[in-house]
Amino acid sequence: DIQMTQSPSSLSAFVGDRVTITCRASQNIRSSLNWYQQKPGKAPKLLISDAFSLQSGVPSRFSGSGSGTDFTLTITSLQLEDFATFYCQQSYTAPPTFGQGTKLEIK
Amino acid sequence: EVQLVESGGGLVQPGGSQRLSCSASGFDFSKNSMNWVRQAPGKGLEWISYISSGGSTIYYADSVKGRFTISRDNAKNSLFLQMSSLRAEDTAVYYCASLFSSEETAVYWGQGSLVTVSS
Repeated sequence: DIQMTQSPSSLSAFVGDRVTITCRASQNIRSSLNWYQQKPGKAPKLLISDAFSLQSGVPSRFSGSGSGTDFTLTITSLQLEDFATFYCQQSYTAPPTFGQGTKLEIK
Repeated sequence: EVQLVESGGGLVQPGGSQRLSCSASGFDFSKNSMNWVRQAPGKGLEWISYISSGGSTIYYADSVKGRFTISRDNAKNSLFLQMSSLRAEDTAVYYCASLFSSEETAVYWGQGSLVTVSS
């Protein structure tokens, strides 16, 4: 199975900050990477598919980049509603696998 | 509107069995591979089982292999997870999800169903 390593595991930032979360795959997954945001008590919400395709309705302050084994999720100008836990997931091959998650907290 | 609705969760004793169901609507269920993903309290997402669109390919995480069985009924747009020999560490919210997108498929998640294993 493909292993996904996400970092950092937690992150504190101010409203208005720019933050970056990274995800590394144990093998080449081309651009087959999803990013999710999850808030307490809710199902994960798909933010970005195929490494950089922003889903409809997701604010443009979210962006994804990368290919191969290294990927990043960037949030510019953090808003209060952005504080949550973020996960990456490879969609290159079954079985799908997730990163360990990054909890983004308010500083 | 796309919907995945899980049911069948609840309280079960250690060593017991439980069957989860996931009812799909609003998309072509038969074209999507499907998965069960769980999340223990305060923990991250853990993929536990995959079934291909036609049901011929199945995978399990090591943590549930030999105890859980995934199946689907495309005629009824339904996904199932039969869980047996349940342990306290199986306590989690269980989500059904389509996790691969293509020209014909997309990523969808259900709202989750809580399974609590406790005496």
